[in-house]
Amino acid sequence: AQKITQTQPGMFVQEKEAVTLDCTYDTSDPSYGLFWYKQPSSGEMIFLIYQGSYDQQNATEGRYSLNFQKARKSANLVISASHLGDSAMYFCAMREGPLNNNAGNMLTFGGGTRLMVKP
Amino acid sequence: DSGVTQTPKHLITATGQRVTLRCSPRSGDLSVYWYQQSLDQGLQFLIQYYNGEERAKGNILERFSAQQFPDLHSELNLSSLELGDSALYFCASSEQGTHTGELFFGEGSRLTVL
Repeated sequence: AQKITQTQPGMFVQEKEAVTLDCTYDTSDPSYGLFWYKQPSSGEMIFLIYQGSYDQQNATEGRYSLNFQKARKSANLVISASHLGDSAMYFCAMREGPLNNNAGNMLTFGGGTRLMVKP
Repeated sequence: DSGVTQTPKHLITATGQRVTLRCSPRSGDLSVYWYQQSLDQGLQFLIQYYNGEERAKGNILERFSAQQFPDLHSELNLSSLELGDSALYFCASSEQGTHTGELFFGEGSRLTVL
């Protein structure tokens, strides 16, 4: 089974509107972390937001918020007030297991969603 | 700028050849991760090193190998290259004492096999 599933290969949003990018995950470990990264056309991977499995509140970072529904195993990214510069690929990723500062923590990525912001 | 440096940025080579991709992690980061991103695909985890030792292995082909040196830089060696190896190869590092385990990515090395 896929660990991270992003069901929307591509999405359009009108400039200044909000958009939600879907992500579902699969793990039996009670401790995990969820990440969203942005990849513009230039190719670099930019970290956007993080949610820990034990965090009580949904994470927010500026215009980005994470709609974390633990029982449904979903971690959707919400971008408010879209700009043209938000046009990019967006990847959801998971760290499975507790944070390990003595050995590092690999992330598993979903297939991504291409977001296109219309002027 | 993430602080992770990858060279070369672009590489074009022929089938059957061997190439080496190089990565310098952020200052102080002990973990290095290699990922492969084929065209319009997600990132596939290849291998991870922590302070010189291999810690986790993903779907890395036997034709590929990697190592992390005492100065913490890492190299990914790709041999007997095939057309399907054309991809963007990312190196990432993570911070000691991080609260999240966030990975910091380099700009990638784009490999084209002709």
